[in-house]
Amino acid sequence: EAQVTQNPRYLITVTGKKLTVTCSQNMNHEYMSWYRQDPGLGLRQIYYSMNVEVTDKGDVPEGYKVSRKEKRNFPLILESPSPNQTSLYFCASSFTGLNGYTFGSGTRLTVV
Amino acid sequence: GQQVMQIPQYQHVQEGEDFTTYCNSSTTLSNIQWYKQRPGGHPVFLIQLVKSGEVKKQKRLTFQFGEAKKNSSLHITATQTTDVGTYFCQETSGSRLTFGEGTQLTVNP
Repeated sequence: EAQVTQNPRYLITVTGKKLTVTCSQNMNHEYMSWYRQDPGLGLRQIYYSMNVEVTDKGDVPEGYKVSRKEKRNFPLILESPSPNQTSLYFCASSFTGLNGYTFGSGTRLTVV
Repeated sequence: GQQVMQIPQYQHVQEGEDFTTYCNSSTTLSNIQWYKQRPGGHPVFLIQLVKSGEVKKQKRLTFQFGEAKKNSSLHITATQTTDVGTYFCQETSGSRLTFGEGTQLTVNP
């Protein structure tokens, strides 16, 4: 089944403890992207990648890192999480980047 | 990226009534995408509009792209309880994606 898989689905962590949210797609998509969704603020792009080893900042990149070493994987790294990074995170992928994206099921992160 | 403003923020309808959400931009859009997110779910791609004045239909859903490519609308005819969710428009500028804030639709049976 064609899909974007994120792990974990839920995560509660403490301030400053490094964490990684994994994202994998099995559709051979070139484009991958991370978003956070917050009440009243909608979906905001954190980082995106147009191909292996090609990444760029979205609208809210501060406090996040990404890497794209393989086409199928695009992990989101929080080196030192803070409570303002408590949010619902989505990974998404697209074949061309110019049409619709397929989203993962989301990761609900709570930083205490 | 560009800003897309979406209205209304909330819409409550009785089952069987029609529903419309609007997406507006101050600048010309290259294309626009529409997504639906069910409560507790993730955004699901519905459709892409590219051409000026384009109209596309999916069963009870009608999508329009304005002649000037600065606005778009999603219209649902005779809503059903399965239509409940938040509908987002999204525009693409290079690889940057900008989403409207969404219209949350509730349908009373």
